[in-house]
Amino acid sequence: DVKVTQSSRYLVKRTGEKVFLECVQDMDHENMFWYRQDPGLGLRLIYFSYDVKMKEKGDIPEGYSVSREKKERFSLILESASTNQTSMYLCASSWRETIQPQHFGDGTRLSIL
Amino acid sequence: ILNVEQSPQSLHVQEGDSTNFTCSFPSSNFYALHWYRWETAKSPEALFVMTLNGDEKKKGRISATLNTKEGYSYLYIKGSQPEDSATYLCAHGGQGNLIFGKGTKLSVKP
Repeated sequence: DVKVTQSSRYLVKRTGEKVFLECVQDMDHENMFWYRQDPGLGLRLIYFSYDVKMKEKGDIPEGYSVSREKKERFSLILESASTNQTSMYLCASSWRETIQPQHFGDGTRLSIL
Repeated sequence: ILNVEQSPQSLHVQEGDSTNFTCSFPSSNFYALHWYRWETAKSPEALFVMTLNGDEKKKGRISATLNTKEGYSYLYIKGSQPEDSATYLCAHGGQGNLIFGKGTKLSVKP
């Protein structure tokens, strides 16, 4: 079974802090993704990466950056956390092909105070 | 339809009932249609990825159909069980541009 592990289930940070969310997958997947889930909205893509050191902006990249130095690890960085970034963050990975499903982590519920 | 829309938003059924819900998506530039099940406090789990018009897929008591020409997919659950209680998400697009619907929340009462 594919395992996608997110570093924290719950995280509380303060406005202005730099926040790192880590994600590791164990299936050698090429693609990795960061989404956020907010009440009343579908999952929205923040960034995705199709290879080491490669990244593409998703629908809502503002205020975020990402890092993929190794194939198995994809980090989401909130450069200066703001209260509107309080959300559930989900990491996912997949094989490159369109017809492959995405495999998700358990999510990180992030609160910015 | 520009976005992915799911209906109903929520559904309450009794154990043993069969149920179905709908995912509507743009019928132009079709790539793939994904279905996921998301149980509370767990990670979303892939059910199906469908690419061909008229495709039907089945996994146990759950099945799905796809109509790419008119832009909809149905998910069916036969003989619902309490463990089927979850939010069912559909998503349309390619790997880097999947657009998710808001989900259908299913509650199955024993």
